Amino acid sequence: EPEVTQTPSHQVTQMGQEVILRCVPISNHLYFYWYRQILGQKVEFLVSFYNNEISEKSEIFDDQFSVERPDGSNFTLKIRSTKLEDSAMYFCASSEFYRGDYEQYFGPGTRLTVT
Amino acid sequence: AQTVTQSQPEMSVQEAETVTLSCTYDTSESDYYLFWYKQPPSRQMILVIRQEAYKQQNATENRFSVNFQKAAKSFSLKISDSQLGDAAMYFCALNNDMRFGAGTRLTVKP
Repeated sequence: EPEVTQTPSHQVTQMGQEVILRCVPISNHLYFYWYRQILGQKVEFLVSFYNNEISEKSEIFDDQFSVERPDGSNFTLKIRSTKLEDSAMYFCASSEFYRGDYEQYFGPGTRLTVT
Repeated sequence: AQTVTQSQPEMSVQEAETVTLSCTYDTSESDYYLFWYKQPPSRQMILVIRQEAYKQQNATENRFSVNFQKAAKSFSLKISDSQLGDAAMYFCALNNDMRFGAGTRLTVKP
C-alpha cells in the first residue's frame, strides 16, 4: 500500500540553525500539507501546497518557514533560523484532491528537537 | 473562524465495552466535512471515520460510528466492543483545513 514517508525520523539542531524536513508524498497525490504537534498538544495546520504554490497557510507559518517541491517526488519544509519553541513533531500529509472528504494520508512524522 | 473542541482530555473503557468521545465545532460554512483520526503510540495519524455535513445519516465503519448533530454542531465518536488496540489519542478534525481538536487519550483496560 502506498504511504507517505518522512526523513529524518529525528532531527536535533541548535537554536538559530536552519533545518530542512523532507517528505515523499504518495505518487499520484497532488496536494501536500505540513502540520506540527508540540508534545502533548494538538495537531496544528501549517501549510498546504498545490501546483508549486502555497494554497493556504496558518498564522504559525511565518517568514521563518518555507516549503518547496524541488523535484517530482520530494516536498520539503525549511525552518530558516530555529527557535526553542519550534521543537515539535512535524507531519507531512498528502491527498489526491483538496478539501472535501478526501482523506489526507499522513507520514510518520519527524521529531525536531531544538537545543 | 473554525474551531474544534474536545472536552475530554482522557477517557477509559473496559475491553469489549462501548465508549463515546465528544467533539463540538464551530464553522460558518454550510457544507463541510468532519473526521476522526487516531494517533497510536507510533504517532502516525490514521483516519478512523469521516462525515459529510450534508448527509443526515451517521457514518459507520465497523465498530466505529458517529453521532452527528448538525444543529448542535456536535460530532461524537462511538467505539463499540473496544479492543486493546483501540488505545490511542483520538483527534476530531474539521474540513480539509484540518482544524484539530486537542485530542482525547483513550485507555482500554483488559
